[in-house]
Amino acid sequence: DAGVIQSPRHEVTEMGQEVTLRCKPISGHNSLFWYRQTMMRGLELLIYFNNNVPIDDSGMPEDRFSAKMPNASFSTLKIQPSEPRDSAVYFCASSWDRANTEAFFGQGTRLTVV
Amino acid sequence: TQLLEQSPQFLSIQEGENLTVYCNSSSVFSSLQWYRQEPGEGPVLLVTVVTGGEVKKLKRLTFQFGDARKDSSLHITAAQPGDTGLYLCAGDNYGQNFVFGPGTRLSVLP
Repeated sequence: DAGVIQSPRHEVTEMGQEVTLRCKPISGHNSLFWYRQTMMRGLELLIYFNNNVPIDDSGMPEDRFSAKMPNASFSTLKIQPSEPRDSAVYFCASSWDRANTEAFFGQGTRLTVV
Repeated sequence: TQLLEQSPQFLSIQEGENLTVYCNSSSVFSSLQWYRQEPGEGPVLLVTVVTGGEVKKLKRLTFQFGDARKDSSLHITAAQPGDTGLYLCAGDNYGQNFVFGPGTRLSVLP
């Protein structure tokens, strides 16, 4: 397996534009996580899915952020409209199960909003 | 909200030295994980500790989970430049949520 695949690796966009980040989890994993990492706040959990169903979205900062998982092999994180403070590295991770199991991370998407 | 604190925030040492980094919380966790993250990459799991007082060794790395399952330490013996990276601890609150600490950024100079 190629691991968790995220695209794009880098995204530069203007404030106000819509941004869509994509993630393909490892085949067979039933939990998927979206994280955001900044120097100031570290690694923050935004949302996680179990069996394609959103379980905890309490980390989603505001209504401008939305995430979907239409099937077991694909998830998106959308920001609309984007703002400069959304600039960060966004990671997707997947695992066999929610608790006490290893989370495999993708390489991340570095988002810059200017 | 459960919080994990890590210390030190930054650490720069010479190759061959020993070091210990810490992960502390006022909350009890069902398990705790340590990850290492290299620049431009996602975190990679090093170890999971589950039982209070548990000690696990991974080559030159020794991990310990506190008796009360509120804290953990990572000790590296004879550090090498390849150990350079961001070390993150992550606590699992009995499946309710999963929180990461801010990390310790380690630099091992040759």
